[in-house]
Order: sequence, then C-alpha cells, then structure tokens
Amino acid sequence: QPVLTQPPSASASLGASVTLTCTLSSGYSNYKVDWYQQRPGKGPRFVMRVGPGGIVGSKGDGIPDRFSVLGSGLSRYLTIKNIQEEDESDYHCGADHGSGSNFVWVFGGGTKLTVL
Amino acid sequence: EVQLVQSGGEVKKPGESLKISCKGFGYSFSDYWIGWVRQMPGKGLEYMGIIYPGDSDTRYSPSFEGQVTISADRSINTAYLQWSSLKASDTAMYYCTRSWEAGSWFDPWGQGTLVTVSS
Repeated sequence: QPVLTQPPSASASLGASVTLTCTLSSGYSNYKVDWYQQRPGKGPRFVMRVGPGGIVGSKGDGIPDRFSVLGSGLSRYLTIKNIQEEDESDYHCGADHGSGSNFVWVFGGGTKLTVL
Repeated sequence: EVQLVQSGGEVKKPGESLKISCKGFGYSFSDYWIGWVRQMPGKGLEYMGIIYPGDSDTRYSPSFEGQVTISADRSINTAYLQWSSLKASDTAMYYCTRSWEAGSWFDPWGQGTLVTVSS
C-alpha cells in the first residue's frame, strides 16, 4: 500500500503564502489524495481532493478561495495564499488504497502549520 | 446541517470494556458509510474501519481487525465503536466520519471522543 510522507512542520507569516506537500511512495503517481484541516482541539475538516491533474470534485464546505491544490509526479500540494490566523492548524493528507468496494485508507503523519 | 455528534470522553482501567457512539443528524443515516479513525496523542490519523448502516456491512483495517468491533443501529441513526478489553495503548482520540461510497473522501467528521485508559 502507499506511504504518504508529510514534513512535520511549516510556518508562514500573516498574509504570506505557503505550500504544504504530501509525497506518495514510488509507484503511486496516479493516486488521488485528500487534504484535511484540523484546528487545535477540533476534529478534521475536509479541504479538497487532488489528483495528478489537480483538484478532483469540489472543495469542502466553507473552504475559502485562498486554498488551492496541485498534483505533480508523486507530490500533492496544498497552497494557502494570504494566510490568516485561523489557518493555523494541522494538515493531514489521506488516500484510499482500496479497490472496488473495499476501503483501505492511509494517512500521512500531518504537517503542523504555524502562522507567525 | 449534516452533523456527526460523538459521545463524551471516557476514563477506563485496563481490561475494562467500552462502547462509544456517533449519532448522525441532517441526512439519511442508512445511505452513507460511517468510518472510525484513531489519533494517538501528538500523532497522525489512523483508519480503523467502516460500516454501512443500511445493511451493517463492516470492513476493518488489518491493523484493527480483532481489536475493536464496529456496529450501527440505523433506527436511532447511531454507529458504535467498542472494545472488550482495553489496554493502555488504546488511549487516544477517536473520530467518526462519513463517506458516501468506497473511494470517496470523509466529510464531515465528529468532534472526537477522548478515551483514556489508565490504572
């Protein structure tokens, strides 16, 4: 099954932009990845899905236009522009490795985004 | 508004049993899968398993098969995660979440249930 790798931390200044990366293990370059935002003390929240060609489907409810995604090779990127204080969160990526009607989900270790 | 509301935090001793719940609001509970995800302190998310309340079709992650039991009662729009004998290593936050089909994303998520197992 794929392994999803995320850097443990990232930081950006208020109003700046940041790109978070989720890297799939070799052989899984066609996989879609879901991004989830987890604010401190809260449950995760779906942000959007990204495949090799970019966003798949629509953003989660209430996700601002400042959030965008890109897929390239084994990497799936989440970019946040004009960072706000409320963007300070853990960001998790996840992928379904199942086939047909099977569910086999894997997640990365998460990236903690600090807003300076 | 679609919501998943989980039961409150629990403090248990090793060897005790536990059943936590997840109640769905604002949608047809029987028609969507409910998954369970573990988050150990300071760690990432781990998929545990999933159930389709419409017919109780249940699938487990190999890592959690035999360790927990997932069930649902569609008459009261509630899914459950249970342990027969808790271990200290079960201490974690547990989230329920909804998926409309195999391969779809999880949305929304419950607020989480903190389970603490300590002697």
